[in-house]
Amino acid sequence: GDSVTQMEGPVTLSEEAFLTINCTYTATGYPSLFWYVQYPGEGLQLLLKATKADDKGSNKGFEATYRKETTSFHLEKGSVQVSDSAVYFCAHRADSGYSTLTFGKGTMLLVSP
Amino acid sequence: ETGVTQSPTHLIKTRGQQVTLRCSSQSGHNTVSWYQQALGQGPQFIFQYYREEENGRGNFPPRFSGLQFPNYSSELNVNALELDDSALYLCASSLAGGGYTFGSGTRLTVV
Repeated sequence: GDSVTQMEGPVTLSEEAFLTINCTYTATGYPSLFWYVQYPGEGLQLLLKATKADDKGSNKGFEATYRKETTSFHLEKGSVQVSDSAVYFCAHRADSGYSTLTFGKGTMLLVSP
Repeated sequence: ETGVTQSPTHLIKTRGQQVTLRCSSQSGHNTVSWYQQALGQGPQFIFQYYREEENGRGNFPPRFSGLQFPNYSSELNVNALELDDSALYLCASSLAGGGYTFGSGTRLTVV
């Protein structure tokens, strides 16, 4: 069935370091892909999305490119900040039938000053 | 434009009891989905309502049930609570096929 696999955390970085969080998916058809962020004690916030192959989603310095050939949607940021510390979830949504989100298990990011 | 509001924010129930969680969808959104997020895990899809009808369900037993009202707000009901039902319950609203807006969730603890 459909699934999303993320790299396990926590990912621990110093401020201004480069971030990559890997995400791969299995799905039929051409799903839309998402990254959500969850700060402590809060719900999910959409960080960025891409709806077709080779699309690049970007927001707040974060980027991810929809790679259909490798079924991947890796999250990157060139220079992380302490305020980026949170849990990041990769997700996809099927392109047919009723559309719901399938999430990965999440990757915790800890950024130290 | 208001976002998605969930109530209550926290509650504690005893095993075997029943609970009702509530969600007010974002203005203009006609679809509501519910997710269960266990500690340290990603959200798992419970079910979805579109215009007051359930139009999708995940791998959850029938004791998880829901309603959507004419104003598109929604309830999640869980009967015969089990310890493993302890989780953060997230509600998300959308226009059919559009992006999802999540609420802050209800933290349910079953003791």
